Amino acid sequence: GAVVSQHPSWVICKSGTSVKIECRSLDFQATTMFWYRQFPKQSLMLMATSNEGSKATYEQGVEKDKFLINHASLTLSTLTVTSAHPEDSSFYICSAGAREIGTDTQYFGPGTRLTVL
Amino acid sequence: KNEVEQSPQNLTAQEGEFITINCSYSVGISALHWLQQHPGGGIVSLFMLSSGKKKHGRLIATINIQEKHSSLHITASHPRDSAVYICAVRSVGTDKLIFGTGTRLQVFP
Repeated sequence: GAVVSQHPSWVICKSGTSVKIECRSLDFQATTMFWYRQFPKQSLMLMATSNEGSKATYEQGVEKDKFLINHASLTLSTLTVTSAHPEDSSFYICSAGAREIGTDTQYFGPGTRLTVL
Repeated sequence: KNEVEQSPQNLTAQEGEFITINCSYSVGISALHWLQQHPGGGIVSLFMLSSGKKKHGRLIATINIQEKHSSLHITASHPRDSAVYICAVRSVGTDKLIFGTGTRLQVFP
């Protein structure tokens, strides 16, 4: 099946720094990528949807200046948490979809655990 | 009320038992996903359904569109099946998934 990778798998940073998380589709071209965050023992919460070459669409309550999303190519999307604070500590997961593999199918990355000290 | 409800929230089973996890939803959907999340956090897509029934190994997923209900069954459960199982629906006209809160399954030897 299709593979989606995320890098890094975990990161610890100091408060005030920015952190970039990469999401790559390894064997297909992802026309749409989704970014989620998950707090402990809670379900996934959609943060934003990005389509290649266009601006991301953010969900209500998600600060677009805080969480910068770039979908520069059909295989790569990045999420940058700017000026991270301890409350941004969470598990961030991306998923990718493509019309060629079926518009209803999403493949999930393994996630990135962010800890802000 | 959540648009996607799962039951039970927690489930404990003895190895070999037959397990059923239920998912009910209140919106019109184009597809329903069953996902598995292991303690490390990674998510695996188990099934995508729009009608009927699908089987993969010891896993069976069914959906009843009229009743807006889906079930995930695990036959001959094993400790390695211990994980959180998440139901997610894609509502009509959107690419977004709406997630249930998950069912935490523990299978003991």
